[in-house]
Amino acid sequence: EIVMTQSPATLSVSPGDGATLSCRASQSVSSNLAWYQQKPGQAPRLLIYAASTRATGIPARFSGSGSGTEFTLTITSLQSEDFAVYYCQQYNNNRWTFGQGTKVEIK
Amino acid sequence: EVQLVESGGGLVQPGRSLRLSCATSGFIFDDYAMHWVRQAPGKGLEWVSGLTGLTWNSVVLGYGDSVKGRFTISRDSAKNSLYLQMNSLRPEDTAIYYCVKDIGPVGASLHDWGQGTLVTVSS
Repeated sequence: EIVMTQSPATLSVSPGDGATLSCRASQSVSSNLAWYQQKPGQAPRLLIYAASTRATGIPARFSGSGSGTEFTLTITSLQSEDFAVYYCQQYNNNRWTFGQGTKVEIK
Repeated sequence: EVQLVESGGGLVQPGRSLRLSCATSGFIFDDYAMHWVRQAPGKGLEWVSGLTGLTWNSVVLGYGDSVKGRFTISRDSAKNSLYLQMNSLRPEDTAIYYCVKDIGPVGASLHDWGQGTLVTVSS
């Protein structure tokens, strides 16, 4: 099983500042990596797929990068609605696995 | 608009069975892979199972290790519905179960999510 490790566990950010979230795979997943946002009491929402492609309707302040085993989600100028938990997920083989999540909280 | 509506959750005793359903609309059901993903209370996300679109023969993509041999995924094209048969339930199966539409037909990223149905396994 491919293990996905996210860091940091919690990120404290002031509104308007930027945030960088990391995700590492235990073996190469090529570009088969997605990012999701989840707010309390809500289902997750797809933000980024294929490591760097924004899903429909996702603002340009969200961007993804990386390939192989190292990936990054960057959020520029955080808005109030961006404070949430973010998960990375690999789909390189028929065993989808998620990272444990990074909580982005208001500083 | 894509709609995914789960049902069938509830309180069940350990060792018993439960069948979850997901009614879909707003897209061509046969053209997309579908998945179940669960989230235990206060925990992260765990992929449960998925299967390809009918155009790819509705092949089961697999099961998570924790449910393999106990859960069975299926789909009914006539009803545009996805199912999860859960047998030999354990307390650790307690979670919100989400029905998820893939971005494509063969299994990739998880594009649309239902609101989930809560399964509680307890005596």
